[in-house]
Amino acid sequence: NAGVTQTPKFRVLKTGQSMTLLCAQDMNHEYMYWYRQDPGMGLRLIHYSVGEGTTAKGEVPDGYNVSRLKKQNFLLGLESAAPSQTSVYFCASSYTDSSSQPQHFGDGTRLSIL
Amino acid sequence: AQTVTQSQPEMSVQEAETVTLSCTYDTSESDYYLFWYKQPPSRQMILVIRQEAYKQQNATENRFSVNFQKAAKSFSLKISDSQLGDAAMYFCAYRAMIYNQGGKLIFGQGTELSVKP
Repeated sequence: NAGVTQTPKFRVLKTGQSMTLLCAQDMNHEYMYWYRQDPGMGLRLIHYSVGEGTTAKGEVPDGYNVSRLKKQNFLLGLESAAPSQTSVYFCASSYTDSSSQPQHFGDGTRLSIL
Repeated sequence: AQTVTQSQPEMSVQEAETVTLSCTYDTSESDYYLFWYKQPPSRQMILVIRQEAYKQQNATENRFSVNFQKAAKSFSLKISDSQLGDAAMYFCAYRAMIYNQGGKLIFGQGTELSVKP
């Protein structure tokens, strides 16, 4: 009963370094999302995917790229990390995009950029 | 664009008492979903309760209930018989009922609830 698994759970980067966050879900969900959580701002959508091979921009996409090569995986990349990208990142997935079925969240990745 | 506002950054309640967390939202849509998520210190995002806008009856889940006022665009969460385990950050979220729009959640800023023994 893994649900949504995020890797890694914690990471420290230096400015300019690159890294990829991995999200994996085992619920056969079509829709996947990447959010970032900052104090006083709630969660904001970075990018999302409505199916394998498709991605779309969310509210705060700048500085991030994503890929959905397999239905169960959704990768979030930072090509050149900046201190402003210090945040907690959440991945979520859902079966459909228009029902009351909730999004299922991973446990988050705390990312610090020095 | 839709927005969600939680105007109470912090709230406090005595154990066994009742507390209400406020949430207002702005949308031009007539059909949508509203959610309350709980985030304890473990960082998990836990669904507390959901409300379909087309349903007039307020949703209830055990000690948790909502006061959904569609005309006022208000969606408050009431926690009865508060317990120490209820201490967490609570997020109100909105989701449009529109196909092919990605099903994105729009979150409020969050309310940090503390429970005093």
